[in-house]
Amino acid sequence: GAVVSQHPSRVICKSGTSVKIECRSLDFQATTMFWYRQFPKQSLMLMATSNEGSKATYEQGVEKDKFLINHASLTLSTLTVTSAHPEDSSFYICSAPGQGISEAFFGQGTRLTVV
Amino acid sequence: GQNIDQPTEMTATEGAIVQINCTYQTSGFNGLFWYQQHAGEAPTFLSYNVLDGLEEKGRFSSFLSRSKGYSYLLLKELQMKDSASYLCAVLDSNYQLIWGAGTKLIIKP
Repeated sequence: GAVVSQHPSRVICKSGTSVKIECRSLDFQATTMFWYRQFPKQSLMLMATSNEGSKATYEQGVEKDKFLINHASLTLSTLTVTSAHPEDSSFYICSAPGQGISEAFFGQGTRLTVV
Repeated sequence: GQNIDQPTEMTATEGAIVQINCTYQTSGFNGLFWYQQHAGEAPTFLSYNVLDGLEEKGRFSSFLSRSKGYSYLLLKELQMKDSASYLCAVLDSNYQLIWGAGTKLIIKP
């Protein structure tokens, strides 16, 4: 089946620095990628939808200048957390829709810890 | 507003059967998903229901009643590896996934 590869799986960074998370679709072209954030014991919250070749669509309350999303090719979408703060510590997951309505391919997730 | 409710935590015994309920209120409905998520990992697809009724897939079954805004996930012959969180998610009229907070299932020997 289709695979979405997400890196890194874990990252620890200092406050004020930036962290880039990559999601690659390995055997299919992903024109759309969803980026989620999940806090402990909470649901996945959609942050933004990235579309290849155009600007990402951000959900209400998500700072577009803080969470930079780039979808420069049909196989790569990146999320950059800028000026990271301890409250940005969370589990970030990307997901690409498949051909069918019931298909969704998730990356492995990235555990971000900001110290 | 849109809302998905499921129990926070459930406990069951190895070999037994457990039913995890999910109720939803969303703007439109284009299907309901159940996902399994182990700690620190991404969700894994379990089932998708768009029509009323029961869908059986091995040890797992999922039921949907659109008129009641209700679904359940039934797990039979529980195994220790089934200990995980189970997420209910609804595809709304904009084809956006609305997620429940998940039910943490604890399996005891």
